[in-house]
This record gives sequence, structure tokens and C-alpha cells, in this order.
Amino acid sequence: AQTVTQSQPEMSVQEAETVTLSCTYDTSESDYYLFWYKQPPSRQMILVIRQEAYKQQNATENRFSVNFQKAAKSFSLKISDSQLGDAAMYFCAYREQGGSEKLVFGKGTKLTVNP
Amino acid sequence: EADIYQTPRYLVIGTGKKITLECSQTMGHDKMYWYQQDPGMELHLIHYSYGVNSTEKGDLSSESTVSRIRTEHFPLTLESARPSHTSQYLCASIGRVVDTQYFGPGTRLTVL
Repeated sequence: AQTVTQSQPEMSVQEAETVTLSCTYDTSESDYYLFWYKQPPSRQMILVIRQEAYKQQNATENRFSVNFQKAAKSFSLKISDSQLGDAAMYFCAYREQGGSEKLVFGKGTKLTVNP
Repeated sequence: EADIYQTPRYLVIGTGKKITLECSQTMGHDKMYWYQQDPGMELHLIHYSYGVNSTEKGDLSSESTVSRIRTEHFPLTLESARPSHTSQYLCASIGRVVDTQYFGPGTRLTVL
């Protein structure tokens, strides 16, 4: 079974600084998807960024980028120019290609942004 | 932004009550999911559906049941709620074209 590990329960960053959240995963599949979701306090889970395993190029969405290392099974999220609104729980998730397409989540990292 | 709705948003009930958590989406997505999330913890899949008349159990054992009579509607039912069912329940769906799961706002259930 696939597993996702987020080794940082909590992280903090100063406003306007850069922070990197770590994620590793375990799978025997070669084709899959990886995601970072953001869950602000008492608010909806929203997608931050996604990465297809067959793509070597790292995904980027504005201030959010990933460092995808397929051989190492590592998928870290970098947030540049951190803003107060970035404060949230961040979940790394794995999804198989085809089948149920269910998501397997890590335990999450709580990000605090200090003004 | 995806349109996926959950009602109620918050529910406090007594032990032994039957409850139904509603989830609906207006995007015509075939696959739908229910995840359970304890406060500050990860999400665990409890049910999913490939489409109408299809329901499957997820990775986490749950006493709840689901049905999928219409594409847009995927309700979750607890026949007899217990305090151990206290949690947040998140519904999600995924389409064929934009193959990313979109989540509803969740239902926070408290069983006294």
C-alpha cells in the first residue's frame, strides 16, 4: 500500500520569506500523481499544486513550486514571499493512476506565518 | 472553482440518532469520495463511488453507509450515531477532464 510521510508537524516562516515543506512517499507504481492541498482553519480544502510523475519538470503555480525527486520519492513544496494568508495546514497527497483515484494523505504540516 | 456542497456544515446530536450527511456536486463528476478527518489529523478514505449504483468501502473501516442513486448526489448515513463518530467528514469528487479531486467544505459532526 502507498504511504505518504510529512516529517514536519509544524513550521513557521516570517512574512515575505521562503519556506519549504517536506514530503516523502512510498509506492511501487511508476505512474501516479502528487498533490499539495491547503486547509485553512475551519475552511475548505483547496488544491495548491499538482505534479504528474511522468513529467520531469517541476510544477509551479505563482509563489508555489515543488521539488519532485522521483527516484528519491520526495515531493517538497516551496512557498516564496510568504503571506499571512498562507497560514494553514498543508497536506501532501498521492493518487494512483486510474482505478479508484483515491487520495492517500500525509499527516499534514501546520504552517504559521509571522508578521 | 469547483461546485461541491455539503450540508449541514455543523451538527451536534445525541447518541443513537440516525443522521444523513448530504453531498452534492453540479459538475457531472462520476467519481465521488467521503473522507473522515479528526481535528488536526490526516484524511482517511471511508467510501467512494465510481458512478450511479456503485459504492465501495475505503481504507478506513466505518459504520456509515452511502448510496449513489443520482450522479450529483452522494449522501452518507449513520444509522445510530455514537461519540466515536465525532469527526469532520469531507466529500470530494473528480471529473474525467480536470482530473483533480475537489473538496466540499465539510461537515463537522459532534455526537454527545
